[in-house]
Amino acid sequence: AQKVTQAQTEISVVEKEDVTLDCVYETRDTTYYLFWYKQPPSGELVFLIRRNSFDEQNEISGRYSWNFQKSTSSFNFTITASQVVDSAVYFCALSGPRNQGGKLIFGQGTELSVKP
Amino acid sequence: KAGVTQTPRYLIKTRGQQVTLSCSPISGHRSVSWYQQTPGQGLQFLFEYFSETQRNKGNFPGRFSGRQFSNSRSEMNVSTLELGDSALYLCASSLDLAGGLYNEQFFGPGTRLTVL
Repeated sequence: AQKVTQAQTEISVVEKEDVTLDCVYETRDTTYYLFWYKQPPSGELVFLIRRNSFDEQNEISGRYSWNFQKSTSSFNFTITASQVVDSAVYFCALSGPRNQGGKLIFGQGTELSVKP
Repeated sequence: KAGVTQTPRYLIKTRGQQVTLSCSPISGHRSVSWYQQTPGQGLQFLFEYFSETQRNKGNFPGRFSGRQFSNSRSEMNVSTLELGDSALYLCASSLDLAGGLYNEQFFGPGTRLTVL
């Protein structure tokens, strides 16, 4: 069975601090995809990144970076120099190979609060 | 390019009634998925449609149904509403090109359903 665990329910930091959001996944598929989405108070899920199971290269996009480690089944997300606008709920999600369609399994989400 | 649109944005119904929610995907996107978000259960996959056919289905009772039209627009219907159906219903669309890599799902703003 597929499962995504985000152990941190809430995180509160002060602006300019670095923060890491943890994500651990379970799957029996050898091909799978991992995602991070941001959900601001408006409710709309905003796509941040997709990672394929066969590509463990870490990625950096501005203040955002992602660390994918198959050995520990983790796909962690770090925000460097956090800003108030980063306050949102962040979801990690997992999907199987394409022939299984587009079903996403979400973690419970981590609510990040960045205080000025 | 316009994003995923969902109508209505807010809805109030009473127990026992039925409701139909609508989703218009991003132009050119062929796959539409529906998710239910509640504080207790988080984000849960309802079903996915591709080329007017249900390709994937989550673990929801038969009261939840959907369909997709030839223009890729999708509707979901919930019959005999229960209090527990109160939730944010999110629709997502993806390009899903044949033979391509996994395509990201882009979410709409959601429909907030309240069942009294």
